[in-house]
Amino acid sequence: EIVLTQSPGTLSLSPGERATLSCRASQSVNSDYLVWYQQKPGQAPRLLIYGASSRATGIPDRFSASGSGTDFTLTISRLEPEDFAVYYCQHHGSSPPLTFGGGTKVEIK
Amino acid sequence: QVQLQESGPGLVKPSQTLSLICTVSGGSLISSSYYWSWIRQPAGKGREWIGRIFGNGKTNYNPSLESRVTISVDTSKNQFSLMLSSVTAADTAVYYCTRDWAVSSPYYSYYATDVWGQGTTVTVSS
Repeated sequence: EIVLTQSPGTLSLSPGERATLSCRASQSVNSDYLVWYQQKPGQAPRLLIYGASSRATGIPDRFSASGSGTDFTLTISRLEPEDFAVYYCQHHGSSPPLTFGGGTKVEIK
Repeated sequence: QVQLQESGPGLVKPSQTLSLICTVSGGSLISSSYYWSWIRQPAGKGREWIGRIFGNGKTNYNPSLESRVTISVDTSKNQFSLMLSSVTAADTAVYYCTRDWAVSSPYYSYYATDVWGQGTTVTVSS
């Protein structure tokens, strides 16, 4: 089973600042299977990124992601007020079990 | 727009079987592009993938739960269901149903979850 570790646990930033979130896998993964979600309180998760770097439909280009092997990064270039939320990475794919990271909370400083 | 809604008992006794249904609205369960999954999250803990079912009826389960889990589809009702047997307090969690997709070519094979239900809380207690 692939364990995903997200860091930091909480990121305190101001609107307009750049956010860099990390997702580290316990073993090398297929980048095609690395997914990022955003979740706000009381809402279902929203798909942001699939295939490690491809933005989902309707996702603003201030969101970008990259990575390969065991290290993956989600970057928000300039935080907007609506971007303060919890972000999760997930190892998806054809071979179960699918696994989730523990999440990074991006909060207003 | 596809929506998912979980339903089922909120309280289950230890050793009994947990049964949940996910009703799909705004789209058909019968699709070669999508498959259907269950995920759970105990309070204060991380999300755990339970399993999924494909349009052809094929299932995949989390090995940690496989001996107790059954996921099935009722296409006439546009629903899919989860059964988890021999439950204990450790099965207390919020349970979510999801729609997943996969798209592939000779060069890539992408998977993701694009629709989530709101979740339903199941407590295992006598």
